[in-house]
Amino acid sequence: DGGITQSPKYLFRKEGQNVTLSCEQNLNHDAMYWYRQDPGQGLRLIYYSQIVNDFQKGDIAEGYSVSREKKESFPLTVTSAQKNPTAFYLCASSIQGAGEKLFFGSGTQLSVL
Amino acid sequence: KQEVTQIPAALSVPEGENLVLNCSFTDSAIYNLQWFRQDPGKGLTSLLLIQSSQREQTSGRLNASLDKSSGRSTLYIAASQPGDSATYLCAVSSRGAQKLVFGQGTRLTINP
Repeated sequence: DGGITQSPKYLFRKEGQNVTLSCEQNLNHDAMYWYRQDPGQGLRLIYYSQIVNDFQKGDIAEGYSVSREKKESFPLTVTSAQKNPTAFYLCASSIQGAGEKLFFGSGTQLSVL
Repeated sequence: KQEVTQIPAALSVPEGENLVLNCSFTDSAIYNLQWFRQDPGKGLTSLLLIQSSQREQTSGRLNASLDKSSGRSTLYIAASQPGDSATYLCAVSSRGAQKLVFGQGTRLTINP
């Protein structure tokens, strides 16, 4: 099955710890995105990438980092600098850009211990 | 700055009713508008995508309309079913901007 796989489904972070969320797609899409969703709110863009080895900050990039070493993978690291990391994180992809149909993964719920 | 608003935040209707969900946006210079469905604790599923040059799109019991001049879109659901219960989000993309701007969503409950 083609799609986007996010792991883990649930993740817990201790104070001062960095954690990495995985996102893998087998859709052969060039563009990949990370969104954050807080309860009762819409999605906010953290980072996006349109091509391997290149990525841009979204609206709320502070405290996060990404890499795009392979076309199919776009991991997100939540660093200790992100003081309010508890949220639902969604990875998405599209063929080339944001003006196209977006495909989403099933999400990772991050909580602070 | 583009802002997207969805009203109401929650809606509950009996099974079988036709219903309309609303989405409004502040900047009419959009590239397209998408409607998504989200089940609790899950990712989003794209339902319909309307290009800026289009007035509506249909898929099964769903019909989405777009009025750029007034900054509004509606999602019409015909003959609602309990399985339609979910949160529905709209999002707009603007020319030259590599991101979507999302509304907060409408949580829909269809009562059997």
